[in-house]
Amino acid sequence: DAEITQSPRHKITETGRQVTLACHQTWNHNNMFWYRQDLGHGLRLIHYSYGVHDTNKGEVSDGYSVSRSNTEDLPLTLESAASSQTSVYFCASWDVANEQFFGPGTRLTVL
Amino acid sequence: LAKTTQPISMDSYEGQEVNITCSHNNIATNDYITWYQQFPSQGPRFIIQGYKTKVTNEVASLFIPADRKSSTLSLPRVSLSDTAVYYCLVGDLTLNNAGNMLTFGGGTRLMVKP
Repeated sequence: DAEITQSPRHKITETGRQVTLACHQTWNHNNMFWYRQDLGHGLRLIHYSYGVHDTNKGEVSDGYSVSRSNTEDLPLTLESAASSQTSVYFCASWDVANEQFFGPGTRLTVL
Repeated sequence: LAKTTQPISMDSYEGQEVNITCSHNNIATNDYITWYQQFPSQGPRFIIQGYKTKVTNEVASLFIPADRKSSTLSLPRVSLSDTAVYYCLVGDLTLNNAGNMLTFGGGTRLMVKP
């Protein structure tokens, strides 16, 4: 079955380090998204992509970057991790029926 | 950007019907209304989507009045496993417009009691 996976599921890092979170989907969807969810809050859009080599900033993109070199993957990079970026990160992909499929999430702690 | 407003929390009992209403006064013509369910430590899961009137699937119904300024998710005969956070999302996921709509509100925390 097609799926969307994220790795790692848990990550602890230090302030100032570069961190990359992986997202891989086998739905063959062109559209992929990254969200962050802070405790007790809804999801906020970080970056999104409509296809290979396309990336766009979302609501809370400062301090994050993405690249899209193929259809299946949209890695999220924190260039210099900050404590404010401690959060749960969700990747999602979307088909033409307006339904988003979410990954299981990555819990990131920045010390 | 369509902003949504939902109740923060609701309580119900097993076997009851639960209705969760979402307000979206500035919904645009091309916007769809989508509801997601999220369990702790999991990503949101699609429940149902609609544009107008009523939509029903195997797990829920979605009622949308003619003015489309609100919508109601109806969960028939809830069970303990329906305890979750429910998000209403309004927008148009068509090409070149996805970023404008992908804002989740705070969601409604549904607690189903025995």
